[in-house]
Amino acid sequence: EPEVTQTPSHQVTQMGQEVILRCVPISNHLYFYWYRQILGQKVEFLVSFYNNEISEKSEIFDDQFSVERPDGSNFTLKIRSTKLEDSAMYFCASSERAGVYNEQFFGPGTRLTVL
Amino acid sequence: AQSVSQHNHHVILSEAASLELGCNYSYGGTVNLFWYVQYPGQHLQLLLKYFSGDPLVKGIKGFEAEFIKSKFSFNLRKPSVQWSDTAEYFCAVNPNTDKLIFGTGTRLQVFP
Repeated sequence: EPEVTQTPSHQVTQMGQEVILRCVPISNHLYFYWYRQILGQKVEFLVSFYNNEISEKSEIFDDQFSVERPDGSNFTLKIRSTKLEDSAMYFCASSERAGVYNEQFFGPGTRLTVL
Repeated sequence: AQSVSQHNHHVILSEAASLELGCNYSYGGTVNLFWYVQYPGQHLQLLLKYFSGDPLVKGIKGFEAEFIKSKFSFNLRKPSVQWSDTAEYFCAVNPNTDKLIFGTGTRLQVFP
């Protein structure tokens, strides 16, 4: 069964460093998402992406964050200058459709630790 | 603001006990509703979903959920849990946008 994959599974970085989290969505999906979960808190939406553009983003997704689909398979989340509060589990998701029948499939997550 | 509440943060049951996990949402319009499960060390998997039609939906592994529009609820049920159901369960709402709004999750521990 096709699945969303994410690399790395765990990333440790120093405050102020740039990180890139990578995701390979399900191949026939057109809509891509990033969510994060700070330890002990709920899963929060960051951004949705379609047709090489951001379609929706949350307040969390400020100028420090960017997303890209650099080729036909990868979908990346970049954090330009990490802060301690960026430490969280980051989940990528993809879906075939948007709107009413939007069913999102999630990857295993990347645990980001900012020291 | 749109939100999802899961009232049970940690539930401990013995095998064969019945399970009901509460989920309430605040959004007045049309919503799609989901329950996801995260087994230890694994990714979020869809248990079941409600888009429209019969408000009682059946999912995988014997789980079901009932959408009660008047109560803004979408509670998850299973008549008889197994040890392998030990996991974290997340209710989520899609208020007709692209994003999912998640509840805080319920950790279920089932003891043999």
